[in-house]
Amino acid sequence: NAGVTQTPKFQVLKTGQSMTLQCAQDMNHEYMSWYRQDPGMGLRLIHYSVGAGITDQGEVPNGYNVSRSTTEDFPLRLLSAAPSQTSVYFCASSYSSGLAGSQGGANVLTFGAGSRLTVL
Amino acid sequence: DAKTTQPNSMESNEEEPVHLPCNHSTISGTDYIHWYRQLPSQGPEYVIHGLTSNVNNRMASLAIAEDRKSSTLILHRATLRDAAVYYCILPTSGTYKYIFGTGTRLKVLA
Repeated sequence: NAGVTQTPKFQVLKTGQSMTLQCAQDMNHEYMSWYRQDPGMGLRLIHYSVGAGITDQGEVPNGYNVSRSTTEDFPLRLLSAAPSQTSVYFCASSYSSGLAGSQGGANVLTFGAGSRLTVL
Repeated sequence: DAKTTQPNSMESNEEEPVHLPCNHSTISGTDYIHWYRQLPSQGPEYVIHGLTSNVNNRMASLAIAEDRKSSTLILHRATLRDAAVYYCILPTSGTYKYIFGTGTRLKVLA
């Protein structure tokens, strides 16, 4: 059971380049999300998805696109990378039995190991 | 949205208990309280969660105040491996958002 797998682990981009960070989970989790963590800071939610075909914005969505065509995969796309997007990116997943504040709030997150992105 | 307040940092001696506090005065009646920790250079990992009653698992205990406006994560015997940033979060009611703050950095002294 691999859990949440993120690729690549490290990536260096030039300003204006595009790339996709991959996230895959093999736990049949409906809920998946992306966070970024800047040096010495906490995690900030970028986008999340509660199932195939359903995505929504988090705290810091600008500059990032997501889609969810399968339950297993939730890629994060940077269309035109900027130095401000230099960060460590974490993908997380969980079962989704409902909204937080109801039974859904009991679902716990499983995180990937992270992808370190540097934009020059 | 219910928010949490944690001390920026704490220190503990090895093999002593550690009590990590979290204030969440705007918590609603159905909000769960989650704790995660992040070891150096790793992704966050789940520690424990609860709703109203105190909870125990192999990693830690969670003590929830009777009015639920605060909670405490208890590590019964800190080890050097427990040095990490500990996050207390409340999944945002009515959404699917798990918003993390800056957490408490725990330093364990040998």
